Amino acid sequence: AQTVTQSQPEMSVQEAETVTLSCTYDTSESNYYLFWYKQPPSRQMILVIRQEAYKQQNATENRFSVNFQKAAKSFSLKISDSQLGDTAMYFCAFMKPQGGSEKLVFGKGTKLTVNP
Amino acid sequence: DTGVSQDPRHKITKRGQNVTFRCDPISEHNRLYWYRQTLGQGPEFLTYFQNEAQLEKSRLLSDRFSAERPKGSFSTLEIQRTEQGDSAMYLCASSLGWGQGNGANVLTFGAGSRLTVL
Repeated sequence: AQTVTQSQPEMSVQEAETVTLSCTYDTSESNYYLFWYKQPPSRQMILVIRQEAYKQQNATENRFSVNFQKAAKSFSLKISDSQLGDTAMYFCAFMKPQGGSEKLVFGKGTKLTVNP
Repeated sequence: DTGVSQDPRHKITKRGQNVTFRCDPISEHNRLYWYRQTLGQGPEFLTYFQNEAQLEKSRLLSDRFSAERPKGSFSTLEIQRTEQGDSAMYLCASSLGWGQGNGANVLTFGAGSRLTVL
């Protein structure tokens, strides 16, 4: 079974600075998806970014980018120019698509606080 | 489209009572998922459907839990004889399945239904 580990329960960053959240996973699969989801306080979970394992290029979405290291099974999220609205729980998640068990497996999350 | 809707948003019940949650997915999504989330933890998979077929159910899921998606549209999650350990946020999500477009396998979540068992 796949597992996802987020080793930083809490992190904080000053507004406008850059922060990196860590995620490692364990799988024997070669094709899979990795995701970062954001869950603001008392609000619903939303997708931040998605990476397909067969793509070598790291995904980016505006201020959000990932560092995907397939051999190391590492998938970190970098948030540049942090904003107060980035304060949230961030969850790393894994999915084995296309005939696998096509469900998201989540890590325990990292609570990020952006300070003014 | 208003996204994924869940009802009720909050439910307080006494131990031993039955509760039912409803989820209305994004209309064109054929996949529907149920997750459970306790405070400070990541969501835990419960079950998922493709159209009306329940494709997978977590082995951790007690037989007190049952989910249906009778016409491949909305879904219900029923918990019978609730216990205090069932207190959690129940999340529903929907998606397109594999090969059904650029958004395939990207789950869109609802706001959740919070259950408190006294």
